[in-house]
Amino acid sequence: GENVEQHPSTLSVQEGDSAVIKCTYSDSASNYFPWYKQELGKRPQLIIDIRSNVGEKKDQRIAVTLNKTAKHFSLHITETQPEDSAVYFCAASKNSGGSNYKLTFGKGTLLTVNP
Amino acid sequence: KAGVTQTPRYLIKTRGQQVTLSCSPISGHRSVSWYQQTPGQGLQFLFEYFSETQRNKGNFPGRFSGRQFSNSRSEMNVSTLELGDSALYLCASSLTGVTDTQYFGPGTRLTVL
Repeated sequence: GENVEQHPSTLSVQEGDSAVIKCTYSDSASNYFPWYKQELGKRPQLIIDIRSNVGEKKDQRIAVTLNKTAKHFSLHITETQPEDSAVYFCAASKNSGGSNYKLTFGKGTLLTVNP
Repeated sequence: KAGVTQTPRYLIKTRGQQVTLSCSPISGHRSVSWYQQTPGQGLQFLFEYFSETQRNKGNFPGRFSGRQFSNSRSEMNVSTLELGDSALYLCASSLTGVTDTQYFGPGTRLTVL
């Protein structure tokens, strides 16, 4: 089955700096890669996702890049703010032949943005 | 529109008992997925239901089961509870499945004593 590894497990940055979180996946057939943000005591929320037919996607201060050859994808947050502090999870799944498969998550990265 | 709701929010059970958790998806969403979240293992996929049919199942023992009703509401059941089943159980709904935007519920915190 799919295996997703996420690094680093903790990341501390100064407000205004950039943050990068990296994930690798094992199943070359995976074609859907979402990122979720979970603030303390709250539910996970989708912040951005990418499908394997594109290499990069941006949404304001957040971007995700995908390297299918190397089987890794990364989350980039620019101009970090204290409200970006949370646990970020990457995940991978595939949609093949009209069928969906399970969603496999990385172990999460605790991002702390220091004012 | 109303978000995903889960009941109960907190539950305390003892080993050997069974428990049923409920999830009401966003109106119009036909896919409901269940996840177990623990500090050690993170978020793990339990199963996904779509139009009352289980489409996918994670690597959990048969003690974990679920079902979905015609109104898309879903329940999951854990029988013969073990201490290791203590976790936050999250459900998520989407229009078509896990490769669509999923909206999570607040979770049910299960403690097994």
